[in-house]
Amino acid sequence: GQQVKQSSPSLTVQEGGISILNCDYENDMFDYFAWYKKYPDNSPTLLISVRSNVDKREDGRLTVFLNKSGKHFSLHITASQPEDTAVYLCAAGAVQGGSAKLIFGEGTKLTVSS
Amino acid sequence: GGIITQTPKFLIGQEGQKLTLKCQQNFNHDTMYWYRQDSGKGLRLIYYSITENDLQKGDLSEGYDASREKKSSFSLTVTSAQKNEMAVFLCASSIRRGSDYTFGSGTRLLVI
Repeated sequence: GQQVKQSSPSLTVQEGGISILNCDYENDMFDYFAWYKKYPDNSPTLLISVRSNVDKREDGRLTVFLNKSGKHFSLHITASQPEDTAVYLCAAGAVQGGSAKLIFGEGTKLTVSS
Repeated sequence: GGIITQTPKFLIGQEGQKLTLKCQQNFNHDTMYWYRQDSGKGLRLIYYSITENDLQKGDLSEGYDASREKKSSFSLTVTSAQKNEMAVFLCASSIRRGSDYTFGSGTRLLVI
């Protein structure tokens, strides 16, 4: 089964609005959560990551919310801009448990319309 | 700053051919990874290595071999290319197990 799932393949948001990207996971042992951004024909780049000892992390316009009991984490992008248009990949791993690998979701294509 | 380099950028192979993809990083990262990206399927892990000479299979290892002879380099071999196969292979590295990844620019494979 798919351990990390992004249920929305696409999302459209008006410029200036809040983009909310969601990710669900299955493994209770996951303790590291990350969001990557990918432009067409480019590689993913890390946006923001959190460990399971916090339930929120902010970095500029980006905020990650972690809901461990619901096995869910999300990325909120405030004041969305056309240059935020990209594919967003969520990823999770069990780092404390010694796992070296991250499991990625299938991605959500965000379009910010002006 | 460091860099992670994948070669070649584009690879055209023939059915049944053995093809090798290379990845080099100068971050001095311990862990390196090979992922495959197919349209609509996200990233799937093929092989990873937590240190020099270590190899660990991912979910998609069948049909591939890997080699980590030096800490800075990680190679992936497609043992027998499948006709009409088209995918992007991404190499990544991280300073610690499972932590923030840095990706290479990818190798685009087409098998004719």
